[in-house]
Amino acid sequence: GAVVSQHPSRVICKSGTSVKIECRSLDFQATTMFWYRQFPKKSLMLMATSNEGSKATYEQGVEKDKFLINHASLTLSTLTVTSAHPEDSSFYICSPLKGTGDWNEQFFGPGTRLTVL
Amino acid sequence: DAKTTQPPSMDCAEGRAANLPCNHSTISGNEYVYWYRQIHSQGPQYIIHGLKNNETNEMASLIITEDRKSSTLILPHATLRDTAVYYCIVRASNTGNQFYFGTGTSLTVIP
Repeated sequence: GAVVSQHPSRVICKSGTSVKIECRSLDFQATTMFWYRQFPKKSLMLMATSNEGSKATYEQGVEKDKFLINHASLTLSTLTVTSAHPEDSSFYICSPLKGTGDWNEQFFGPGTRLTVL
Repeated sequence: DAKTTQPPSMDCAEGRAANLPCNHSTISGNEYVYWYRQIHSQGPQYIIHGLKNNETNEMASLIITEDRKSSTLILPHATLRDTAVYYCIVRASNTGNQFYFGTGTSLTVIP
């Protein structure tokens, strides 16, 4: 198996502030990290893909300057929501990829609930 | 984009088998069928996956049709804790391929 943690699990912030979410793979190294967000009663939507040491690739419609992703090590990736607004309130889930080459497995963190007032 | 179709919701009586269908008619030869579930306000939990043979583990069984265009997840004895949204996803195993989630099936287990 694999253990993935996210911190914080829940955050409430004022509009205009920035929020950093950390994602750690505790017992494996992840060269690739996916970030998803999920609005209430909706499915998970892929936001971006990041590879360790490289710039993230963002899905269409996701602002790269607003959602800053740093994947500086094989066990830690961060998502910073800059100048957060109420419409950014969502459930953010990281998903590290374990393994390379022909076979790999994708795991999921427990999620971070962001509420912007 | 999601390549699967699932019914939006299903009910199942506690203790009975829950059979969740999934259509993936455009699946490619190198794509696996994965099943995850998500309990409210938690991250997705892995259940099972398969390529073409039926699979069984401690949580569930996965039945894949011979043409691989559809599959069924079977929870043999559903409990109230199995109430969740179940996602069927197809994905190739090679590096860089991520999961794209469809709308899933909201399963409610009824006492």
